[in-house]
Amino acid sequence: EAGVAQSPRYKIIEKRQSVAFWCNPISGHATLYWYQQILGQGPKLLIQFQNNGVVDDSQLPKDRFSAERLKGVDSTLKIQPAKLEDSAVYLCASSSPRGGDYGYTFGSGTRLTVV
Amino acid sequence: GENVEQHPSTLSVQEGDSAVIKCTYSDSASNYFPWYKQELGKRPQLIIDIRSNVGEKKDQRIAVTLNKTAKHFSLHITETQPEDSAVYFCAASYGGGGNKLTFGTGTQLKVEL
Repeated sequence: EAGVAQSPRYKIIEKRQSVAFWCNPISGHATLYWYQQILGQGPKLLIQFQNNGVVDDSQLPKDRFSAERLKGVDSTLKIQPAKLEDSAVYLCASSSPRGGDYGYTFGSGTRLTVV
Repeated sequence: GENVEQHPSTLSVQEGDSAVIKCTYSDSASNYFPWYKQELGKRPQLIIDIRSNVGEKKDQRIAVTLNKTAKHFSLHITETQPEDSAVYFCAASYGGGGNKLTFGTGTQLKVEL
């Protein structure tokens, strides 16, 4: 079974520029999550999708962050314009119930540096 | 919303000793408590989890205990080895594991030779 795929692995941009991250979850996983992990902290949920619908985006800074999962499969997270404090690792995860286990799996993440 | 506190932030033990990391959570609706190990520059990896209908779970050198009344859970690593050195995160969720995770602040474990 292939894992959660993310790209790019690394990105360096200047403040006020825009950036987009891509995630392809494990095949068949209905739930997709985007987490932000700032250096030295635990991951923090930004947005949760169930198929192509948003379940929770209460911690997404909507003035600059947006995310979509149009066909209920892969997803894109965008930041426009970026700020210095957006420097972090952006982790995508997916899950789906299967035999009592949800198979919650994280991708390798995209490390964003804003200079 | 859920809030998870984790202690200690750093832990240094001698190889072969035991290590204990403790977490408390605030939302009594939480019913799923995973522990993740994260090595530098890598993704969080699930090492053990426990659901609220169980008080203790063990997997070889790793065990987790849960006290629902006190809303705290702990990770126990016995016979520590250098390869156990990493950052460990506890987390809490409701929905049995198919929902968002609220993470603790992490514990940097160092196992010294």
